[in-house]
Amino acid sequence: GQNIDQPTEMTATEGAIVQINCTYQTSGFNGLFWYQQHAGEAPTFLSYNVLDGLEEKGRFSSFLSRSKGYSYLLLKELQMKDSASYLCAVGSRGSTLGRLYFGRGTQLTVWP
Amino acid sequence: EADIYQTPRYLVIGTGKKITLECSQTMGHDKMYWYQQDPGMELHLIHYSYGVNSTEKGDLSSESTVSRIRTEHFPLTLESARPSHTSQYLCASQSGGAYEQYFGPGTRLTVT
Repeated sequence: GQNIDQPTEMTATEGAIVQINCTYQTSGFNGLFWYQQHAGEAPTFLSYNVLDGLEEKGRFSSFLSRSKGYSYLLLKELQMKDSASYLCAVGSRGSTLGRLYFGRGTQLTVWP
Repeated sequence: EADIYQTPRYLVIGTGKKITLECSQTMGHDKMYWYQQDPGMELHLIHYSYGVNSTEKGDLSSESTVSRIRTEHFPLTLESARPSHTSQYLCASQSGGAYEQYFGPGTRLTVT
């Protein structure tokens, strides 16, 4: 089975840096995904890690340690529009389908 | 950019009614998914398909059914709606060789 854990809520101020952690236990790991979901909207893809290390994409970076079952999403130079829920998801191996298992999401609020 | 559409966006319906939630994508993606998401909770996979005439049930027990007669279309049907079906339903699609899932805007269903 899959067990994905991330904090429920976080707050930060505009311009700051925030790190959202995600731990997982899975049978058959096939990638770690981060999605952003604004209230009432669809999730949008942010990042994908399948190997250990840091992937940087503009203001957002994502880190993976497979041996520790741990990932984090790092958001720099926070903006008000970054207020959203951030979903950690794990891909499952052993299937022809690229199915994902999602955590409950971390609701980030950015204050001015 | 992937284009994936869901209709209706909002639906309020009485108990016992039959409803169909529509999902269409214009990217020619082979893989399509239906997720159910309650506020503050993780996305649960309820149905998936990896091609025409191929459908499978996901993790969440559901009284819904799906069909995949055309690549671009993946409708979800509830034969008899119940208040427990009140939720947000998200459709997603994925190219066969890619890892990113693209989500539609969702249908927020309320069963009274």
